[in-house]
Amino acid sequence: NAGVTQTPKFQVLKTGQSMTLQCAQDMNHEYMSWYRQDPGMGLRLIHYSVGAGITDQGEVPNGYNVSRSTTEDFPLRLLSAAPSQTSVYFCASSYRGGAYEQYFGPGTRLTVT
Amino acid sequence: GQQLNQSPQSMFIQEGEDVSMNCTSSSIFNTWLWYKQDPGEGPVLLIALYKAGELTSNGRLTAQFGITRKDSFLNISASIPSDVGIYFCAGQLGGSEKLVFGKGTKLTVNP
Repeated sequence: NAGVTQTPKFQVLKTGQSMTLQCAQDMNHEYMSWYRQDPGMGLRLIHYSVGAGITDQGEVPNGYNVSRSTTEDFPLRLLSAAPSQTSVYFCASSYRGGAYEQYFGPGTRLTVT
Repeated sequence: GQQLNQSPQSMFIQEGEDVSMNCTSSSIFNTWLWYKQDPGEGPVLLIALYKAGELTSNGRLTAQFGITRKDSFLNISASIPSDVGIYFCAGQLGGSEKLVFGKGTKLTVNP
């Protein structure tokens, strides 16, 4: 199993550009989530999904969209990038129902100039 | 939102020393998890705790789920240089599908 994969690993955007961060998992996990990590802030939840077709907002959802058309994939879209979105983004997945042991991808380091 | 207070923020220790870090909250959690993050990598799960009072070990690591369900600690015994990294606690609130993360403890081990 590859686990949780994320692409790209690094990305530089100009203010106002849009892009999609890709996340995929091959563990048949129902639950998937996106976090951003900023220095001294820990991991903050952006959006999450408990299954295909179901998404919900986390702590810091503004400026981001998600969709979940398949169990395996959970892309994160930046609609109009802003410098405040410069961060490291992590995707995670887990089974539902009791064992909330989330497995993380390697991250995408995004810089918005 | 819910907050986990993780301490200390950073630790500088000598190889061979024992380490202790903890997380506290004003809320009751159903699950406590401890993760380690190496530079440039995603967090990796170390230990998961599911019951109040539970004490679980993973090699030189030991973690406990507090009796009040509002806290947890992680101990590392006989530290080695590869223990360097950031350690995060995470808790799952009852009735929630989401994890809340602490801000991390950065561990430096001097050989």
